[in-house]
Amino acid sequence: AQKVTQAQTEISVVEKEDVTLDCVYETRDTTYYLFWYKQPPSGELVFLIRRNSFDEQNEISGRYSWNFQKSTSSFNFTITASQVVDSAVYFCALSEAEAGGYNKLIFGAGTRLAVHP
Amino acid sequence: DAMVIQNPRYQVTQFGKPVTLSCSQTLNHNVMYWYQQKSSQAPKLLFHYYDKDFNNEADTPDNFQSRRPNTSFCFLDIRSPGLGDAAMYLCATSRAGGYTFGSGTRLTVV
Repeated sequence: AQKVTQAQTEISVVEKEDVTLDCVYETRDTTYYLFWYKQPPSGELVFLIRRNSFDEQNEISGRYSWNFQKSTSSFNFTITASQVVDSAVYFCALSEAEAGGYNKLIFGAGTRLAVHP
Repeated sequence: DAMVIQNPRYQVTQFGKPVTLSCSQTLNHNVMYWYQQKSSQAPKLLFHYYDKDFNNEADTPDNFQSRRPNTSFCFLDIRSPGLGDAAMYLCATSRAGGYTFGSGTRLTVV
């Protein structure tokens, strides 16, 4: 069965600190996809990244970076120099290989990040 | 811009009174989904349409139904809402390589 674990329920940091959100996943599939979403208080899910299981290259996008390690089944997300606007709930999600475009997302429980001025 | 639109943004309904939430898309994606997200929980898939084929998750209550009259629209019907059905309902679409969520409808049951 597929499962996503985000062990950190809440994280509180002061602005400009770096923060890493952990994500550990379980799957028997050899082909799968990993996602990160941001959910601000308004409730919409904001897409951050999608990574397939064959691409273990780390990715950087501005202050955001992702570290994908198949050996430890982890897909961690780091925010460098955090800002108050980064305050939100962050979800890690897993889906099996697409079948004609169908993807069921299995979400972790989410990590609530609070960035204080 | 191509997008997924959910109406209304907020919906208040009475206990036991049927309610319908709507979702439309301009992406021409063949798969549409409904997720339920209760307070402080992760989104959970209720069901999806693959073109016209309806697929229910095993643990989705019978109280929840869905209709997809055409590629662009999908509706979520709650036949007899209970207090436990208060949640954010998220519509999403996908096609190969892309997965898009709407802004959600926050349902309150009074």
